[in-house]
Amino acid sequence: RKEVEQDPGPFNVPEGATVAFNCTYSNSASQSFFWYRQDCRKEPKLLMSVYSSGNEDGRFTAQLNRASQYISLLIRDSKLSDSATYLCVGRGNTGKLIFGQGTTLQVKP
Amino acid sequence: DTGVSQDPRHKITKRGQNVTFRCDPISEHNRLYWYRQTLGQGPEFLTYFQNEAQLEKSRLLSDRFSAERPKGSFSTLEIQRTEQGDSAMYLCASTSDTFSYEQYFGPGTRLTVT
Repeated sequence: RKEVEQDPGPFNVPEGATVAFNCTYSNSASQSFFWYRQDCRKEPKLLMSVYSSGNEDGRFTAQLNRASQYISLLIRDSKLSDSATYLCVGRGNTGKLIFGQGTTLQVKP
Repeated sequence: DTGVSQDPRHKITKRGQNVTFRCDPISEHNRLYWYRQTLGQGPEFLTYFQNEAQLEKSRLLSDRFSAERPKGSFSTLEIQRTEQGDSAMYLCASTSDTFSYEQYFGPGTRLTVT
């Protein structure tokens, strides 16, 4: 079983839609959690950290459920520019990042 | 540009050749990580340095792979006797020993082994 698992998609949604991504994690990836965004053939970039209390950054909301070992990302009012791969990431004890496979989002006009 | 830089950006090599990649982290960052990403997958951890000390290596890092960070600044990753399965994007990231621990990634080196 992978340490961080997420549905690879692709998710094809129209502009303005709300889309949700989920991932699950194992104990080895349980220090802290993040969502990274990766554009095609580019490096990953931090989108937001994920906290148990939930956190919001504009149209993006992230949530962590430690009891279920479950992480979510909600994107409201999708824009064409949101098209990318979204990586669910845990951080292990030594600081190394443990990535999920990534979920591809394609927002269509 | 004060971000993480990697060189070369692209490398095409024949099977059996040796290749070396370089990573220059953000100057005040003491931690440096190497990851490998194959098509359709998320990056996978390879190894990590704190200053010049290599503190962790993944089992993915076979004996054909070696990494160094001799003066605690730039790092090199060498692959000996390359195989087609080594074709991937090699990513370097750096961070400092601060509360945020945010890792900043370089643009990567894309290796193609023919």
